[in-house]
This record gives sequence, structure tokens and C-alpha cells, in this order.
Amino acid sequence: DGGITQSPKYLFRKEGQNVTLSCEQNLNHDAMYWYRQDPGQGLRLIYYSQIVNDFQKGDIAEGYSVSREKKESFPLTVTSAQKNPTAFYLCASSIGRAGNYGYTFGSGTRLTVV
Amino acid sequence: QKEVEQDPGPLSVPEGAIVSLNCTYSNSAFQYFMWYRQYSRKGPELLMYTYSSGNKEDGRFTAQVDKSSKYISLFIRDSQPSDSATYLCAMSEEGAGNMLTFGGGTRLMVKP
Repeated sequence: DGGITQSPKYLFRKEGQNVTLSCEQNLNHDAMYWYRQDPGQGLRLIYYSQIVNDFQKGDIAEGYSVSREKKESFPLTVTSAQKNPTAFYLCASSIGRAGNYGYTFGSGTRLTVV
Repeated sequence: QKEVEQDPGPLSVPEGAIVSLNCTYSNSAFQYFMWYRQYSRKGPELLMYTYSSGNKEDGRFTAQVDKSSKYISLFIRDSQPSDSATYLCAMSEEGAGNMLTFGGGTRLMVKP
């Protein structure tokens, strides 16, 4: 079945550590997105990529980094510069470069700082 | 002021009630309107999709768009406990490169 796979489902990070969240899609979608969701809050855009080897900062990019070396993959690294990384992270993808047809979301990764 | 406003709730209703969820927006260029349902600790899933104004019905769900008032609604008939979730509205302008703008979500609780 086509979809977006996020892994791991739960991730624990120690202070000062970098961690990488995986996002893979087999939908042949062009664009991919990373959102952060805090309890009781909406979605905040971290980074997005509309084509391979290109990505743009979203509203809250500080302390995060991404790469888009393959169409299917868009990993997110949470660096030690992100001071409050505990949150639910969602990856999404869309046909073409527009939101006109909606996004398909992964099932999310819950990151906790220990 | 946010571009898309949505009452966060929670909205608590008894089973079988008709539920009305709403969003207002300020950007008159929005043409595509969507509703997503998100269960706790899960990713959002697309529930309803509407282009421009009008109504769309799918089973117990009806989506309404009133562009003149910049107001969209999602109605759920005969609500079930399984409808308990957070509902996010989302919208975008026409054309390439335009991303979805999301509302903050409304938490719905349907009590048996």
C-alpha cells in the first residue's frame, strides 16, 4: 500500500544530542513537509521541500536541519541547538508542488528529551 | 490575527447529536478547503475536500464553504464516540507552490 512511513514512533533524546527522524514515502509525491505539533496546538511548519535537492525553511526552522537527496526520503535532524524539542513531529507529502490536493501525513514521531 | 481561526474546544456532545465545526479565514484568495481528522497520537487524515464554494456530502459528513463570509463548516450527523478526535481545517490558494494553511484544530468529544 502507498503511504508515508515515519520512524521511529517514539524517540528519546539526551541533552546535547542530535537525533534524526526518518520519513519515507512511496506515493511518488513531489513535495514533502515537516511539522511540529505541541499539546493542544496546531501544526507549525519546520521545513519543506518541493523538489529533490532543494528545501526551504518554514516558520520554526531554528535548531532543525533536513536533506532531500531522494524523492522518497526527507529526514529531519533535531540538533542540540533546538532548546525545547519535546513534541510530536509529523511528516507529510503532496502531489506536485501545491497544497491544492491536500497532504498525506505519516503517523508521527513522538520525541522526548530525557 | 491568524490567517485561519478555529475554536480549540473541547466540544463535548452526546452520542447521536449533530456536530458543527467551523473555521474563519482572512485570505480571500483561498480556493481549496479541506477538513482533516486527527486521532490522539496519530497523523491527520483527509476527511473532506471542497473546491471553491458550496456543499459536499459524504455519508454522515457535510462540508460547507461560504466564500462571501470567509467561513467554512463541517457537520457531523448522528455523531458516534468514534468521531472523538481533533478536527483541523486547511485551505490553500490556486496555483503551484501554494501550501496548505491550517487552523489550530477543534477537539471533539462524543460521549456515549
